[in-house]
Amino acid sequence: QKEVEQDPGPLSVPEGAIVSLNCTYSNSAFQYFMWYRQYSRKGPELLMYTYSSGNKEDGRFTAQVDKSSKYISLFIRDSQPSDSATYLCAMSFQGGSEKLVFGKGTKLTVNP
Amino acid sequence: NAGVTQTPKFRVLKTGQSMTLLCAQDMNHEYMYWYRQDPGMGLRLIHYSVGEGTTAKGEVPDGYNVSRLKKQNFLLGLESAAPSQTSVYFCASSYTSGRALGAQEQYFGPGTRLTVT
Repeated sequence: QKEVEQDPGPLSVPEGAIVSLNCTYSNSAFQYFMWYRQYSRKGPELLMYTYSSGNKEDGRFTAQVDKSSKYISLFIRDSQPSDSATYLCAMSFQGGSEKLVFGKGTKLTVNP
Repeated sequence: NAGVTQTPKFRVLKTGQSMTLLCAQDMNHEYMYWYRQDPGMGLRLIHYSVGEGTTAKGEVPDGYNVSRLKKQNFLLGLESAAPSQTSVYFCASSYTSGRALGAQEQYFGPGTRLTVT
């Protein structure tokens, strides 16, 4: 079993839809959970991060972590064509580990 | 600030040729990383460095070497390129764990597209 599993999609939604992106993981020692966004032919950039369990909201984006189920989610409300990108989940251990474990990424297209 | 820059942006190599990819960052970051990204495989860590003069192996280090002689630069070398090394290579950097998000917030360069024929 891979440490981090992420459905690669692709996912295509109409503008204004609510998007749900998900990752599951196997290692219960992960403590930091992140979502990176990667536009086509660009490097990834950090979108949101959560420490341990709970929710975090930033504008139209909400990150959720359920450590009991080893499941994380990123919700995008009122999706826009500019949200079209590949979204990668990433995780790391306690103590500021210098390495991240990435999911394979989900490609999202928001159609006008 | 330029952030993380990578040179070259594109390169085509023949099997057996060698080359060096250069990564530079102007954010005074301690940590630097080299990843490769392939369709269906996601980002895989090749080598990384936690400080000037130190390097360590990542998930897929075979066929690659690295050096970090200066804090701001991280070089990735391919001594004898193989078609399996055709990929997009990303460099990233981050602060140490003692500041803000630490290594969790990695800043990525724009990538180098390498084709080995």
